[in-house]
Order: sequence, then structure tokens, then C-alpha cells
Amino acid sequence: KAGVTQTPRYLIKTRGQQVTLSCSPISGHRSVSWYQQTPGQGLQFLFEYFSETQRNKGNFPGRFSGRQFSNSRSEMNVSTLELGDSALYLCASNLDNQETQYFGPGTRLLVL
Amino acid sequence: GESVGLHLPTLSVQEGDNSIINCAYSNSASDYFIWYKQESGKGPQFIIDIRSNMDKRQGQRVTVLLNKTVKHLSLQIAATQPGDSAVYFCAENKYSGAGSYQLTFGKGTKLSVIP
Repeated sequence: KAGVTQTPRYLIKTRGQQVTLSCSPISGHRSVSWYQQTPGQGLQFLFEYFSETQRNKGNFPGRFSGRQFSNSRSEMNVSTLELGDSALYLCASNLDNQETQYFGPGTRLLVL
Repeated sequence: GESVGLHLPTLSVQEGDNSIINCAYSNSASDYFIWYKQESGKGPQFIIDIRSNMDKRQGQRVTVLLNKTVKHLSLQIAATQPGDSAVYFCAENKYSGAGSYQLTFGKGTKLSVIP
């Protein structure tokens, strides 16, 4: 079974632009969570989607948003990019009512 | 606030020796913990988990110990190999309601294996 996939793997943007990242969960997994990883803050929870609905949200500004499609694929969007948004963005999926989350390889975003 | 933290940022061990990576947590209500391994350029990889009603759980070459009295867990890797070199994270999986779980990660320990 294929793992979690994320596209693109690398991205360079400039301040003020917006970006959309994509995540395809493991087949059969309907829950998708997003995390931001930076050297200073470590891994931080952004939000979780299940059945096309945001079910949980971390402590990030409204510039960070996401959505989930009927096939469980998810996208996250960051608008008005700031230098501090440079990070590795990780997506994880899990089965319904199963706690173990499996991560994708991440999208490395660099904001210049 | 509640957090999951690590005692040591780096750990160097000789190939073949055992490794012990420690983690402290502060939320006494936590009931599920996970260890992840993250290699350079990759996402975190699930290693082993443990529930709060257990003290010990063993996997292949790995053992996780949980001490609820002092809110501490550790990951033991037997016969450490070069391929074990990575950053190891402990994470607390907290139920957030409506079937949702949220991982809170520690800062990570970088394990370097000396050949």
C-alpha cells in the first residue's frame, strides 16, 4: 500500500505571495492532519480534516487554511507569505478511530 | 502550559551499543504516547507506541518504557546500527473530541551512531 504523498516536495516563494500544498493520504485513511516543522518551534499542529470537514485546529493565524476533498486528499493554503513561514510542512493520515498517524515526506517551503 | 519535552538534544553511541533516549511529559492526563524517527529529508516514521495502562512495550530492537509516577518515557534501541542515526521524537497523542486526535511533539533528540 502506498504511503502518504505530498506535492510539491520543494517550493520557493516571495513574501506576500500565497501557496497551496497537496497531500494524498494512505488509501482508506479519511483523517488528514497538517504540521509545520521549523528548527526553532519544532513540530506544531496546524489542523485536521475528516470527511471534508475541519475537525480540529491548532494555534496558527487565519492565513493558514485547508480543505479536504471527497477522496480524502487535502490541500493547505498559506496566504500573504511571511519569511517566518519558511518550514517543512508535513501531512499525516490515520484510519478512523485509530490514533497512529503516518507521515508523508513533507513539502519544504522557502520564503524569500 | 502542557508540553512534551526531551532531556538531551544530542546522543552519540558506538555501533553495537544500546541507546536510550528520554522524554518527559507534563500532562498527567495523557493516555497515549508515540515515538517517531525522522531521517534527514524525510517525514517522521512511526517506531512504537504505548498506552498509559502499560509500563513497557517491546518491538523489534526497540523498547519503550513509561513511568507515570515521574511522567517520563524512554526509548531503548538495542545493538544500535548506523541506520539508526536520525532525530527521534516523542509525541503525546491527545484526544481533542469528535474523534479527533492531536499530536504534541517534543523537540527531538539527534542520535549519531559511531561506526
